[in-house]
Amino acid sequence: EAGVTQFPSHSVIEKGQTVTLRCDPISGHDNLYWYRRVMGKEIKFLLHFVKESKQDESGMPNNRFLAERTGGTYSTLKVQPAELEDSGVYFCASSQVVGLPPLHFGNGTRLTVT
Amino acid sequence: DAKTTQPPSMDCAEGRAANLPCNHSTISGNEYVYWYRQIHSQGPQYIIHGLKNNETNEMASLIITEDRKSSTLILPHATLRDTAVYYCIVRLPNRDDKIIFGKGTRLHILP
Repeated sequence: EAGVTQFPSHSVIEKGQTVTLRCDPISGHDNLYWYRRVMGKEIKFLLHFVKESKQDESGMPNNRFLAERTGGTYSTLKVQPAELEDSGVYFCASSQVVGLPPLHFGNGTRLTVT
Repeated sequence: DAKTTQPPSMDCAEGRAANLPCNHSTISGNEYVYWYRQIHSQGPQYIIHGLKNNETNEMASLIITEDRKSSTLILPHATLRDTAVYYCIVRLPNRDDKIIFGKGTRLHILP
């Protein structure tokens, strides 16, 4: 079984540019989560999809961040325009719906905004 | 979610058992205890979870006290590859309940 995959693994962009991160969850996992870790800080929740619907987006920092999951498969997280404080590692995770699912995480996208 | 308290860092000699404590004194009756770890440059990795009984899998053992106010994650024979930040998390068995990461314990395995 393939794990959660994220693309790209690294991205370096200038302030004001746009970046789109992609996450492919484990096949059949309805729940998809985005988290990020800013340097020196804790891993913070951003949002949660159940299939294509946003279940909880309480952690999204501001309206420069847009997450989508069209068709309930892969998800994208777009940052537009990027700011210096957006630098960090963005993790995606997925889980099955039934029971007490542990989350399966990808290895993250390291975003550097210069 | 109930708040958890973990020591910021711990050392353990390679080959010895690593015992990582976690306090969760305000845990409610139907909240589970989960453990994850993050090895440098990787995403968080699920280790084990339990409600009230002790649990064991191929990675670790989880010992939960009878009053459920604390637990201990045991890595029976620590290796250098176990160097990571370990997170103790309590959460409800609800698919809508997100995982909230705290500061965790940074475990150093010493050669």
